[in-house]
Formats: sequence, C-alpha cells, structure tokens
Amino acid sequence: DQQVKQNSPSLSVQEGRISILNCDYTNSMFDYFLWYKKYPAEGPTFLISISSIKDKNEDGRFTVFLNKSAKHLSLHIVPSQPGDSAVYFCAASEKGYKYIFGTGTRLKVLA
Amino acid sequence: GAGVSQSPSNKVTEKGKDVELRCDPISGHTALYWYRQSLGQGLEFLIYFQGNSAPDKSGLPSDRFSAERTGGSVSTLTIQRTQQEDSAVYLCASSLSGTGRSPLHFGNGTRLTVT
Repeated sequence: DQQVKQNSPSLSVQEGRISILNCDYTNSMFDYFLWYKKYPAEGPTFLISISSIKDKNEDGRFTVFLNKSAKHLSLHIVPSQPGDSAVYFCAASEKGYKYIFGTGTRLKVLA
Repeated sequence: GAGVSQSPSNKVTEKGKDVELRCDPISGHTALYWYRQSLGQGLEFLIYFQGNSAPDKSGLPSDRFSAERTGGSVSTLTIQRTQQEDSAVYLCASSLSGTGRSPLHFGNGTRLTVT
C-alpha cells in the first residue's frame, strides 16, 4: 500500500513558465511534508518543507501548497529554469522520524 | 567535508558474496537513515538509527540485511549472500534530531550491482 503517490512520472515545461508537481497521500496522520530534487548520480537534495498547520510555504521560486482535506500537496516552481530539470520526490512523516517517499516525477524544463 | 559521505560509490559483486556499504553522516546529526532506490522505483526505507541504536529496522527486506552504527557516527550496511534483486542504489541520510521536523540530508549513494 503506497501511502505517498506521485501519479505523474514525467512533466515537460517551457522555460519561464510555471511547473506544478503534485503529490497525494493516504495517511491523515502525516503532519510534515518535504520536497526533494534529485539529479542523476547524486543524492536527493532538500528543497522545501511544510508543516500540517500551514497551507502554504514559500522559498524563492519554490512554493509548496498543502490541502489537508484533499490529502494533496503540490510544488510550484516559477519561473522554471533549465537547471530545474531533475526528478522531484515528495515525502511525508507522521509525528516522528520516518519519511515515506513518493516514486518521483521527472521534470524537464525546455529552453 | 560538510555533507553525508558514502563509500564505495559503485560496487559490483557476484551473487552470493557479502558486501559492506559505509556512511559518514554530517557531524552532530544524531539520526541516520538507510534507504534504497531500485530501478524506476521510489525511495524505500530500510532502517533508522537514533544515536547507536536502531529503533526501527522494519524496512530491512530480509535477514541477509543488517546495519550498525558506532560512536553515534559512522554506519555500515551489510548484505550477506547477495542476490540479483539486491541491485539498487543505497542511500544514506542524516538529520539533526530525527524528530520528524528535521529534513534529511542525503549522500550520493552506493550503486550496487549483483551479477
């Protein structure tokens, strides 16, 4: 049973436009969510997080939105840049240490 | 270095051999995690350490897998009698506290290939 799902395996976006990456979860007890970016042959790099007491967190070009009633979060990147091309993972944890990761979405930003 | 360091970066081994993967976490990080990523899959949780103890080993796929952490620092993941399905990238991560409010910082992983 996959508790964290990223239903889009890939996404292509034109440079300068908005990239929207989606993530759904099933466990209503999850209370902390993170997004990671991964380049080939490197480990995932932390991007941004959000606590369940918030519905939005922003850091530069990156904004994460959380909709608890829908058990859905999204990462917005605007404007998208070619260097943003990578695999993006969402992850969630429940009042503790264990992070459950999604299967990732490969973003390609076209110049 | 300031980041999580893993060695070796690549390991090719024959089926049936034992392998050891090493992780040096960020200094001062009390929590350490092992994940693995098989081809086309997400990150699969293996084991979590808080200090030198492992309160959660629930993700270890079989008793061929074991891990230890010494001195609250370096960790070793050992796979005995490797099988082809063990081929994956093994990722180590550390975090400041392991309370679920500290982001994980990952190493670059060890790519294990079992032939």
